[in-house]
Amino acid sequence: DGGITQSPKYLFRKEGQNVTLSCEQNLNHDAMYWYRQDPGQGLRLIYYSQIVNDFQKGDIAEGYSVSREKKESFPLTVTSAQKNPTAFYLCAPSWARGGELFFGEGSRLTVL
Amino acid sequence: EDKVVQSPLSLVVHEGDTVTLNCSYEVTNFRSLLWYKQEKKAPTFLFMLTSSGIEKKSGRLSSILDKKELFSILNITATQTGDSAVYLCAVETGGTSYGKLTFGQGTILTVHP
Repeated sequence: DGGITQSPKYLFRKEGQNVTLSCEQNLNHDAMYWYRQDPGQGLRLIYYSQIVNDFQKGDIAEGYSVSREKKESFPLTVTSAQKNPTAFYLCAPSWARGGELFFGEGSRLTVL
Repeated sequence: EDKVVQSPLSLVVHEGDTVTLNCSYEVTNFRSLLWYKQEKKAPTFLFMLTSSGIEKKSGRLSSILDKKELFSILNITATQTGDSAVYLCAVETGGTSYGKLTFGQGTILTVHP
């Protein structure tokens, strides 16, 4: 969606390496979310942030870390502690009050 | 634990057919139900439903919510090959300030010419 930029679109990583996925938005939304999608499955919430310098764990936060130093940016780091990191990662900014989410184009991470 | 279940998991039809996709849920603090379409990339938003019995329509797509029976349906009439996609249902839950989406596993719709 316009105003949401995720990078890189495709990423390959060797086992044991950390990798950081970028999510930037210029929609002036307060809240931002990271979801993970595995083949044939729906989306699962990793982390979310409703305001700068604050973030909360979602349902599957283990092996991931985030930061929210600026309103526009919410990077996700997939650490070596994540046992099965190969997946499609989606970022979505939103109003803090909730409502529909509009997703970025996503980042496909493959662990070799 | 919040739960969203979609059925069928997959569906194959021919152009011109009408399809009905189902979504049932068991959640606490229901706020809204959303439908998304996904075609090998990020999901795109279709509908958000908050009130029972009020149909939302967009072209050949329509959706309705039943908050008593805890389900929603998505109808697609006169299907086209471009409707082939995964359709995701999500339920938003939360208190006064935060909305969390719980997704179903999706329905894979294939429309043959």
